Amino acid sequence: DAGITQSPRHKVTETGTPVTLRCHQTENHRYMYWYRQDPGHGLRLIHYSYGVKDTDKGEVSDGYSVSRSKTEDFLLTLESATSSQTSVYFCAISNGFNEQFFGPGTRLTVL
Amino acid sequence: QKEVEQNSGPLSVPEGAIASLNCTYSDRGSQSFFWYRQYSGKSPELIMSIYSNGDKEDGRFTAQLNKASQYVSLLIRDSQPSDSATYLCAVNLIYNQGGKLIFGQGTELSVKP
Repeated sequence: DAGITQSPRHKVTETGTPVTLRCHQTENHRYMYWYRQDPGHGLRLIHYSYGVKDTDKGEVSDGYSVSRSKTEDFLLTLESATSSQTSVYFCAISNGFNEQFFGPGTRLTVL
Repeated sequence: QKEVEQNSGPLSVPEGAIASLNCTYSDRGSQSFFWYRQYSGKSPELIMSIYSNGDKEDGRFTAQLNKASQYVSLLIRDSQPSDSATYLCAVNLIYNQGGKLIFGQGTELSVKP
């Protein structure tokens, strides 16, 4: 998994609670991404980062926020989880030369 | 709307045959093209990247790009049961500056012994 870890790997939470997912890389790559994967929708970009404290929105960013205070860590926060945010979340990294490498994923269930 | 389209499958081929996976994209300005393999319950794994028209071969895999037709394909020769997975096509509008990938929904491949 190209030196990428995600935590937690599985989480069950209740509607309305805040949730933070962590992506940690040891590759010193500049770019980091958060995707969600759902049946019928494929992989969709939530947010991405092109450097420390530099982030931008993807196509499905509503209800999500991100932070990147260090090169190696990219956090995804669901401020108030909803059942529609039940999904598998993948982090990816890139050194800027086009290719993206994915972490192992986090399976989130919102009841 | 930028789109990447793939047949969802499942595509079933016998062991030892050639599997052909196809992908079309809508944005003519796309610059970089990728194929990922995803086993059930696992994360996507990059298997091929291609940036210019023509063929690129890596072992049993060949990626083919035709920008005029906005078409990219993946051929898997001598298919093995271990190739059974979902194959994702991804497209990036830019080159060498990070950027954002747009994914197709994937084609499920089943290789029968």
